[in-house]
Amino acid sequence: EAGVAQSPRYKIIEKRQSVAFWCNPISGHATLYWYQQILGQGPKLLIQFQNNGVVDDSQLPKDRFSAERLKGVDSTLKIQPAKLEDSAVYLCASSSQGFNQPQHFGDGTRLSIL
Amino acid sequence: GENVEQHPSTLSVQEGDSAVIKCTYSDSASNYFPWYKQELGKGPQLIIDIRSNVGEKKDQRIAVTLNKTAKHFSLHITETQPEDSAVYFCCRGSNYKLTFGKGTLLTVNP
Repeated sequence: EAGVAQSPRYKIIEKRQSVAFWCNPISGHATLYWYQQILGQGPKLLIQFQNNGVVDDSQLPKDRFSAERLKGVDSTLKIQPAKLEDSAVYLCASSSQGFNQPQHFGDGTRLSIL
Repeated sequence: GENVEQHPSTLSVQEGDSAVIKCTYSDSASNYFPWYKQELGKGPQLIIDIRSNVGEKKDQRIAVTLNKTAKHFSLHITETQPEDSAVYFCCRGSNYKLTFGKGTLLTVNP
């Protein structure tokens, strides 16, 4: 089966600009996650969707980050305006519906803020 | 809390030796413990997972053990190979949410 697809792979922007990332989960996976991975750390959950509804966005900086999952398939994560500390890899993962289902990750988007 | 502590942060072994990575957690609600391998420029790849009703699980050269009373779990890799070199993350999960450790950089020297 095809894995989780993310684009772009790399993005370089200046602070205060906006940026968007796209994710296409594994076909049939109801649950989609966005993680932020800062260099040298483990991934940190930003937001979790179940179909097109938000399950958990408690760690999403809502003053600048937004995410949507229209039609319960693809998802976009947006940052506006970007800050220097947003430099990180943004990972998308998906899983089947249900408790503690294995999460499968894409290769991420590496974001650099100048 | 929800944190998971992972040790060591770096581990260097000779090819053919065993490698052990240990993690501890404090949240009694944790009931799912996956391990991920991350290679440079790639996303984390699930290599093995264990649930709280199981004490040990093995898949070829990889094994995980869980001591729920002591709240710690470990990853064991036997007969290490250079292609095992990567960053390994332990995780704790409850319901839908995963919390990752800070990772262990494993280097297998030929």
